[in-house]
Parts: sequence; C-alpha cells; structure tokens
Amino acid sequence: GENVEQHPSTLSVQEGDSAVIKCTYSDSASNYFPWYKQELGKRPQLIIDIRSNVGEKKDQRIAVTLNKTAKHFSLHITETQPEDSAVYFCAASTDTGTASKLTFGTGTRLQVTL
Amino acid sequence: KAGVTQTPRYLIKTRGQQVTLSCSPISGHRSVSWYQQTPGQGLQFLFEYFSETQRNKGNFPGRFSGRQFSNSRSEMNVSTLELGDSALYLCASSFRVVGETQYFGPGTRLLVL
Repeated sequence: GENVEQHPSTLSVQEGDSAVIKCTYSDSASNYFPWYKQELGKRPQLIIDIRSNVGEKKDQRIAVTLNKTAKHFSLHITETQPEDSAVYFCAASTDTGTASKLTFGTGTRLQVTL
Repeated sequence: KAGVTQTPRYLIKTRGQQVTLSCSPISGHRSVSWYQQTPGQGLQFLFEYFSETQRNKGNFPGRFSGRQFSNSRSEMNVSTLELGDSALYLCASSFRVVGETQYFGPGTRLLVL
C-alpha cells in the first residue's frame, strides 16, 4: 500500500523566514496531495492541495510543489507568522473515482518564534 | 453550512467494553472517512463509506467496524477495547471521493482504562 514519509518532524523558524516541509510517497498511482494544518486541540484543516497534473500551486503565502518523477511534494510557507505555528500533515490519495484512501505523513511541528 | 459533527466528544471506557462513535457529515456530502490519531502513529486511515457501502479499509483488526446510514451519517464501533485503542477518532466528509476536499470533524477522544 501507499507509504508517505514526511520531514522534518519538527521545524523552528523565526518570524518572517520561510519554512519548507517535504514529503515522499511510494505509490506512483497516487494523484491527489492535500496538506492539513492542525492547531493544538483542534481538527485538521485543509490549507492547500495539488493534483498530479499540476506541478505547483500557490495561495498567498503558501505554495505546494509536486515532482511526480521523484514522487515527492513540498509545502512552502513564506513570511511566516506566529499563527502559522501548528502541526502540518501531508497526505497522498489514489482517487480512482470508485475507491479512496488518504495516507498521511507523520506530521511536522512548526514553531514560529518572534 | 454546518460543519462535520461528531458525538460524543469525550469517552472513558474500560478494557473489554465496546464503544460506538457517531459522525454527521456536511449536508450533501456522501463520503465519510474515519481516522485514528495517536501521538505515536499519527493519522491512520480506518475506513471510508459512500452511499452506505464501505469502499476502502485500512489495516486495523476486525474489532473496528463501521456503517453508514441512508442520510450519510456514519458510526464506527470498537469492540473488546484495548488500552492501545486510546486515541482521537476523527471523521471527515467529502462530496463524492477523497480527491475532493475533505472536511474533518472535531473528533472523539477515547480513553481506555
């Protein structure tokens, strides 16, 4: 089955700096890659996603890149702010239209310091 | 539009007991997935239901089961609880398939003593 590895497990950056989180996946049939942010005691919230027919997607300070050949995708957060502090999860899904399963990475705890 | 809701929010059970958790998806959403979240294992997929049918299942023992009703509400059941079942159980809903945006509920925190 699908296996998703995520690095680093913890990341500390200063406010205003950029943060990069990387994930690799094993199933070449995976075609949908969402990123979730989970603040302490709260539910995971989708922040951005990308499909396998797209190489990059941006939404304000957040961007995701996908390299299908290498089977890895990354989350980039620019101009980090204290409210970006949370645990971030990447996930991969094979969407056949009839079956579905999201496999998550183990999470990255991002801390943005002042 | 109301979000995904889960009941109960907290549960304390003892080993050997069974538990039923409930999830109400966003109105119009027909796909409901369940996940177990623990500090050591992260978010692990349990199963996914669509139109009352289980479409996919994760690598959990048969003690974990689920079902979906005609109104898309879903329940999951854990029988013969073990200490290791203590976790946050999250459900997520989407309109049709996982490739569409999945919205998570607040979770049910289960503690097994």
